[in-house]
Amino acid sequence: QQQVKQSPQSLIVQKGGISIINCAYENTAFDYFPWYQQFPGKGPALLIAIRPDVSEKKEGRFTISFNKSAKQFSLHIMDSQPGDSATYFCAASTPLGGNTGKLIFGQGTTLQVKP
Amino acid sequence: DADVTQTPRNRITKTGKRIMLECSQTKGHDRMYWYRQDPGLGLRLIYYSFDVKDINKGEISDGYSVSRQAQAKFSLSLESAIPNQTALYFCATSLSGGEAFFGQGTRLTVV
Repeated sequence: QQQVKQSPQSLIVQKGGISIINCAYENTAFDYFPWYQQFPGKGPALLIAIRPDVSEKKEGRFTISFNKSAKQFSLHIMDSQPGDSATYFCAASTPLGGNTGKLIFGQGTTLQVKP
Repeated sequence: DADVTQTPRNRITKTGKRIMLECSQTKGHDRMYWYRQDPGLGLRLIYYSFDVKDINKGEISDGYSVSRQAQAKFSLSLESAIPNQTALYFCATSLSGGEAFFGQGTRLTVV
């Protein structure tokens, strides 16, 4: 049972283009939705995160769009650069500080940005 | 020094052997996690611990056990390794369930 479903599995984008990765979740108790970025040989690192009380969060070229009613959220990378080539994971967590605050990850998306 | 340190970084072991992966952290976080990463399956939660006395099973705990020896140490054991446990294993920590910080990973191969 995959609680967080991520697509596409892989993505190739030209430099300067927009990369879009989508995630859908089932558990309405989730209230924290982070995105992690992983480079080869490294552990994942937090990129950007959102809570369901807002529909969008932007940090530089990275934007999360959140649709609570559809139980979906997406990562948009504007002006994609070769240095953005990495694996991206969406995740979801139940209330922070509570006794169920565990992070559940999606399947991952391998992004390649061509020069 | 890394905030979350995993040892060993690479390990090849034989089927049926017992193996332990270790994780230590200097961040002072209360929560620690073990994940395994497989291509196409993402990161799947094996076990997690909210404090030394609180250990919980994750999505795929069968065949694994853990020990939280101290707030800073969380080890994962494979009692009798099998080939389908070949994967990349990550330890992570967080403060009360917030941002998770990952170690560099342990690449385990069971032959």
